[in-house]
This record gives sequence, structure tokens and C-alpha cells, in this order.
Amino acid sequence: GENVEQHPSTLSVQEGDSAVIKCTYSDSASNYFPWYKQELGKGPQLIIDIRSNVGEKKDQRIAVTLNKTAKHFSLHITETQPEDSAVYFCAASTPRTGANNLFFGTGTRLTVIP
Amino acid sequence: NAGVMQNPRHLVRRRGQEARLRCSPMKGHSHVYWYRQLPEEGLKFMVYLQKENIIDESGMPKERFSAEFPKEGPSILRIQQVVRGDSAAYFCASSLGQASYEQYFGPGTRLTVT
Repeated sequence: GENVEQHPSTLSVQEGDSAVIKCTYSDSASNYFPWYKQELGKGPQLIIDIRSNVGEKKDQRIAVTLNKTAKHFSLHITETQPEDSAVYFCAASTPRTGANNLFFGTGTRLTVIP
Repeated sequence: NAGVMQNPRHLVRRRGQEARLRCSPMKGHSHVYWYRQLPEEGLKFMVYLQKENIIDESGMPKERFSAEFPKEGPSILRIQQVVRGDSAAYFCASSLGQASYEQYFGPGTRLTVT
């Protein structure tokens, strides 16, 4: 099955700086890559996603890039704010008949220092 | 528009008891996924259901665990004869349809087995 690796496991940045989280996947058939933000005691919140026919997608301060050849994708957060502090998970979905279940990375705990 | 709802939010069971976790998908969504999250780890896929059908249960333990999504009412994840290793956060996610990749998560049920 699909294997998703995520780095770093923890990341601290000063407020206003950028944060980058990287993930790799193993199954070249994977075609959907979402990113989730999870705050303490809450469920994961979908913040941005990208499909395999696109190389980059941006939504305000958040952007995701995808390199299909190298099988890696990254989350970029610019002008970080304290409220960006959370655990971020990448995931990949490999299309199979009737199922789109997600394979998650192990998470990155982002701390934005005011 | 209510999001994905899960109840109870916290559940404490003694070893050997049964745990029932409920999930009501977002309005208009007919696809439900269950994931398990151990402390400090990512989410692991368990089962994918549509109304009255189990589509993919490849992540579900073979014994003691079962899931259903009846025509009427919430999806239920049932764990029989719980053991301490079942202690975890259980999240359900819903999506609009098979062709829709986006999955939206509920707040989770935190199961503690004493």
C-alpha cells in the first residue's frame, strides 16, 4: 500500500517567517494530496489540496507544490501568525475501484513564536 | 450547514465492555470513512462505507471491530470486548461521493479503556 513520510516532525518559526513542510509518497498511482491542520482536541481541518494534474496551488498565505517525478509534495505557509500553531498532516490518496481512503503522514507540530 | 458530527466526544470503557461510536456525515454526504489516531501519531484508515454498504474494510482489525452505515441514522463503529490497546481517538470523515476526493472530518471520539 501507499507509504507517506513527513518531515520535519517539529518546526518552530518566528512570527512573520515562512514555514515549509515536506512529504514523500511511494505509490506513483496516487493522484490526490490534501493537507490538514489539527488543533489540540479537535478533528483535522482540510486547509488545501492538490491533484496530480497540477504542479502548484495557492490560497492566500498557503501554497502546496507537487513534484510527481520525485514523488514529493510540500506545504508552504508565508507570513506565519501565532494562530498557525498546530499539527499539520499531509496525506495521499491512491485511486482504487470504489475507494478514496487517505494515507497520512505522521504529522508536523508547528509552533509560531510571537 | 452543520459539519460532521460525532458522539460521544469522550468514552470510557472497562476492559471487556463494548464501545459504540456514532458519526453523522455532513448534509448531502453519503460516504463515510473511519480513521484511528494513536497519541502522537497520524491517522490510520479503518473502513469506508456508503449507505448500507461496506466498500473497503482493509484497515479494520479482523476481530472485535465492525462498522455499519444504515439507510437511516448515523454510521456506527462498534468495538467489542475492548482492550487497553483500543484507547485512541477515532475520527470519521464524510465526502460527497465516490468521485469527490475531499474528506471533511468530525471532532472525534476519544476512547479510553481502563
